[in-house]
Amino acid sequence: AQKITQTQPGMFVQEKEAVTLDCTYDTSDQSYGLFWYKQPSSGEMIFLIYQGSYDEQNATEGRYSLNFQKARKSANLVISASQLGDSAMYFCAMRGFSGGYNKLIFGAGTRLAVHP
Amino acid sequence: GAVVSQHPSRVICKSGTSVKIECRSLDFQATTMFWYRQFPKQSLMLMATSNEGSKATYEQGVEKDKFLINHASLTLSTLTVTSAHPEDSSFYICSARGPIQGANTEAFFGQGTRLTVV
Repeated sequence: AQKITQTQPGMFVQEKEAVTLDCTYDTSDQSYGLFWYKQPSSGEMIFLIYQGSYDEQNATEGRYSLNFQKARKSANLVISASQLGDSAMYFCAMRGFSGGYNKLIFGAGTRLAVHP
Repeated sequence: GAVVSQHPSRVICKSGTSVKIECRSLDFQATTMFWYRQFPKQSLMLMATSNEGSKATYEQGVEKDKFLINHASLTLSTLTVTSAHPEDSSFYICSARGPIQGANTEAFFGQGTRLTVV
């Protein structure tokens, strides 16, 4: 069975500082993908970054980077130079090949508040 | 990125009535669509997966007769909440994927539908 764990219900960060959102996962699949999504109060799900299980380099997308530690089964999101608009819910998700439909399984989420 | 349109964004209905939510992929063929439910301050819970032209696969605990899913074309999937009750009030959101099913293919999400049953 696949499982995603986000242990931080809420996080605070000062504007312009960096913040790390934690995510650990569990899977028996050898090949899998890890995703981070941002959900503002409007409800839409915004794709941020992707890391493949066989990728040797940590993924980066602008101010977002993913600290991937495969042995620890962790895929933490790092947001650099936080902006007020970064305040939102952040979900870590995983897709493996179990079940044949490539289901995307989500963690509980972390609410990030950026203070001026 | 690809665009997925979900309609309506908000709906209020009376208890006992049925509500249909549409999810459309606007610029790609969605061979697989997923329907999620999200209660306030909680995560997205997968309800069902639908492949075009075949019956949906429901997650454990989801009543298939309550939540009817139709994926009749490569660009449209519908979720019908039948005989809605107040406990069905929630945020429903769909996502769609194209024919390339690699693990790194992101799922594109609709805007979500906030259902309130009174």
